[in-house]
Amino acid sequence: GESVGLHLPTLSVQEGDNSIINCAYSNSASDYFIWYKQESGKGPQFIIDIRSNMDKRQGQRVTVLLNKTVKHLSLQIAATQPGDSAVYFCAEGPILTGGGNKLTFGTGTQLKVEL
Amino acid sequence: DTGVSQDPRHKITKRGQNVTFRCDPISEHNRLYWYRQTLGQGPEFLTYFQNEAQLEKSRLLSDRFSAERPKGSFSTLEIQRTEQGDSAMYLCASSLGRYSIPTGELFFGEGSRLTVL
Repeated sequence: GESVGLHLPTLSVQEGDNSIINCAYSNSASDYFIWYKQESGKGPQFIIDIRSNMDKRQGQRVTVLLNKTVKHLSLQIAATQPGDSAVYFCAEGPILTGGGNKLTFGTGTQLKVEL
Repeated sequence: DTGVSQDPRHKITKRGQNVTFRCDPISEHNRLYWYRQTLGQGPEFLTYFQNEAQLEKSRLLSDRFSAERPKGSFSTLEIQRTEQGDSAMYLCASSLGRYSIPTGELFFGEGSRLTVL
């Protein structure tokens, strides 16, 4: 069936560097994508989302890029901090009529920030 | 704390026993979701409610699983005759479904970890 997956299971970066986490999706009909961060022992936390009619969206220290041609999604974190250490999931799903979402998550990338 | 709360946080049970998890969503959220997450994997959708109505169930939700949201507020997820394969983290999430707020953001609880011996 359709799936959402990540290229790299583990990413190690130095504190202060920029991080790039990649994700490939296979459902060409997907029209909404979200990045979640999950710290150990906690539930996923929303970071940023993007609709398929956009190719870039920026938040605070984070940027999501969407390339629909190659069905690729990336999350860029500027000036990575120790608090950014977590597992990052990309997810896709239709926005339910009136809001909310039924998400399909990828496998996750572990981001490790080295001091 | 006004976030999504789940109880219990940890449950250890023997195979064949029944277990029940409770989720209290953010109070104004009308949508509630259950997901299951195994180690190293992303969460998998199980079911969701709009108010008290269960609108969709995944094929992952076998007959041994039942979820309810009787008054449109808290929800319970019951697993009957547990099997070792049911061992996982059960995550609850909620969202506000309004036409004026077209976002897919879900707010997750910290999960209930089930271990079946």
